[in-house]
Amino acid sequence: AQSVAQPEDQVNVAEGNPLTVKCTYSVSGNPYLFWYVQYPNRGLQFLLKYITGDNLVKGSYGFEAEFNKSQTSFHLKKPSALVSDSALYFCAEMFSGGYNKLIFGAGTRLAVHP
Amino acid sequence: GAVVSQHPSWVICKSGTSVKIECRSLDFQATTMFWYRQFPKQSLMLMATSNEGSKATYEQGVEKDKFLINHASLTLSTLTVTSAHPEDSSFYICSARRPSGDTGELFFGEGSRLTVL
Repeated sequence: AQSVAQPEDQVNVAEGNPLTVKCTYSVSGNPYLFWYVQYPNRGLQFLLKYITGDNLVKGSYGFEAEFNKSQTSFHLKKPSALVSDSALYFCAEMFSGGYNKLIFGAGTRLAVHP
Repeated sequence: GAVVSQHPSWVICKSGTSVKIECRSLDFQATTMFWYRQFPKQSLMLMATSNEGSKATYEQGVEKDKFLINHASLTLSTLTVTSAHPEDSSFYICSARRPSGDTGELFFGEGSRLTVL
């Protein structure tokens, strides 16, 4: 079954501390994985993607994600959180077999406190 | 960067009426666009894949007669919610992929919030 899991509904972190938002994927082999961020009543903004190559992917706004094949994970990380990072974060996996559609995880709300 | 525009951003309509939402790719041609629906505090659910010049491909459980999709040009896809009812109230988001590669990221519109009274 096509599924992307984000086990945490919400993550709370203090400003300046490192943050991690978890994601696990379902497809074996070579997955195509993405992270997007959504601010209230807005569309999604692309953060980063993993297609192939280095397991550590660097993206926008200082975010990075680590692809771990043995754990089928693609956790989003940032060394030092900002209050402005507070938003809804979605992990997504691309499925072939017709237009390479993206299937999203349930989303994780990140709250960064001053 | 690529820009995808949606219109209208907000729409309120009476039950039984039809509402059309437009999705435009402003600086690239998109042979494929995707329509998603998002319920409050929930994830995005893929409704259908819109293909220029051909019929849309609907996900399982999505009523194609309810949600009409037309992709008449390489820069425009429309979603029409026919005979809308309050349960159709939701946030609808379209997206498009730049044709430079099938593994490229999707660019999303700002979304259209539909409220059916």
